[in-house]
Amino acid sequence: DSGVTQTPKHLITATGQRVTLRCSPRSGDLSVYWYQQSLDQGLQFLIQYYNGEERAKGNILERFSAQQFPDLHSELNLSSLELGDSALYFCASSVGGADSGNTIYFGEGSWLTVV
Amino acid sequence: GQQLNQSPQSMFIQEGEDVSMNCTSSSIFNTWLWYKQDPGEGPVLLIALYKAGELTSNGRLTAQFGITRKDSFLNISASIPSDVGIYFCAGQLRGSQGNLIFGKGTKLSVKP
Repeated sequence: DSGVTQTPKHLITATGQRVTLRCSPRSGDLSVYWYQQSLDQGLQFLIQYYNGEERAKGNILERFSAQQFPDLHSELNLSSLELGDSALYFCASSVGGADSGNTIYFGEGSWLTVV
Repeated sequence: GQQLNQSPQSMFIQEGEDVSMNCTSSSIFNTWLWYKQDPGEGPVLLIALYKAGELTSNGRLTAQFGITRKDSFLNISASIPSDVGIYFCAGQLRGSQGNLIFGKGTKLSVKP
């Protein structure tokens, strides 16, 4: 158990819909990261928040957005869903936002299926 | 985006054998991490490397941060059936603020 909690574990929704994935980081971690894992693209970094503020952006679509709340939990919002958005979405957390020595721990993922 | 070249893509070995896999990149990394992922689970951190040349062990696992900072390897000695899974290398570029770049993974199968 990494200490990173994600809900829901599984989600099936229709195209065009909107979903919200939730993440609670490890106790004491200020940084939250979102990654997408699909069969063809592998693990891809989406976005990072540090202490409530966006810190880095990766390959995140405009239809997707995220935020980190004062209690440090984070939500990833996926809208106008397409079939190709079906993937495992991972949240990860780390203590700080600096690069060196910043070990990142992953949650168990939220499996999204768009039908 | 940037990619790490991880090899081999898959391995099918006998229990008790040693395993070696590696990752290379054209970019210089500040940090190398090795993760293992079981089906339906999130990646679990195995070893983290922070300095060029660093050699770190975690039980039967040994990993090294290449001197050029562009590569890393992971060795598993005396493999056992529970070593089965997908192993990912991940690198962190300087100034990337935690953005990990992942390899495509090495799928390990162990025959008892």
